[in-house]
Amino acid sequence: LAKTTQPISMDSYEGQEVNITCSHNNIATNDYITWYQQFPSQGPRFIIQGYKTKVTNEVASLFIPADRKSSTLSLPRVSLSDTAVYYCLVGAEYNFNKFYFGSGTKLNVKP
Amino acid sequence: EAGVTQFPSHSVIEKGQTVTLRCDPISGHDNLYWYRRVMGKEIKFLLHFVKESKQDESGMPNNRFLAERTGGTYSTLKVQPAELEDSGVYFCASSRATGDKGYTFGSGTRLTVV
Repeated sequence: LAKTTQPISMDSYEGQEVNITCSHNNIATNDYITWYQQFPSQGPRFIIQGYKTKVTNEVASLFIPADRKSSTLSLPRVSLSDTAVYYCLVGAEYNFNKFYFGSGTKLNVKP
Repeated sequence: EAGVTQFPSHSVIEKGQTVTLRCDPISGHDNLYWYRRVMGKEIKFLLHFVKESKQDESGMPNNRFLAERTGGTYSTLKVQPAELEDSGVYFCASSRATGDKGYTFGSGTRLTVV
């Protein structure tokens, strides 16, 4: 399993853009990068997935450099409701047998 | 569509007792996964079903844990006998067979063994 390293916590203010970087130095050729969001007392929720370069959806953007050894989740103009734990996972798209969740990044958005 | 449903949401049992957790995946999702977070540690994989077959159960901690998915629909995870270290949150997730980006997780069952 490709392990990931993320900051334990981050603070931000409402309206700011937040970038959370994840390191995955031993990512395999067929691995995708997936980010999940988890609120207290809920299960993780899929945010975005990518393989290389940049992916954008209605919630976030995902930036992946050419060497794919890291990735950055970008949340535009965060609000208080974005306070959650964000997990970076690495795994083969068609082999989601198991993911390594890691400790995640606790994002605290302040008013 | 309805999400992944888990119940009970909370369970408190005594050491040595048996507890059965249930997960109802999204209809049509052949893949079903169990994960757990114990004692504030990381979320860890337990096992993976494809329909009614166990595809990978390498994460099951020991033989006190038994997972079933009869008929390929809902799944149960039985812990017998429960130990104190089994306390934690047990998550279930499901996904389609292929091409589905990411899992859909349930809200989890919080198990407390006293």
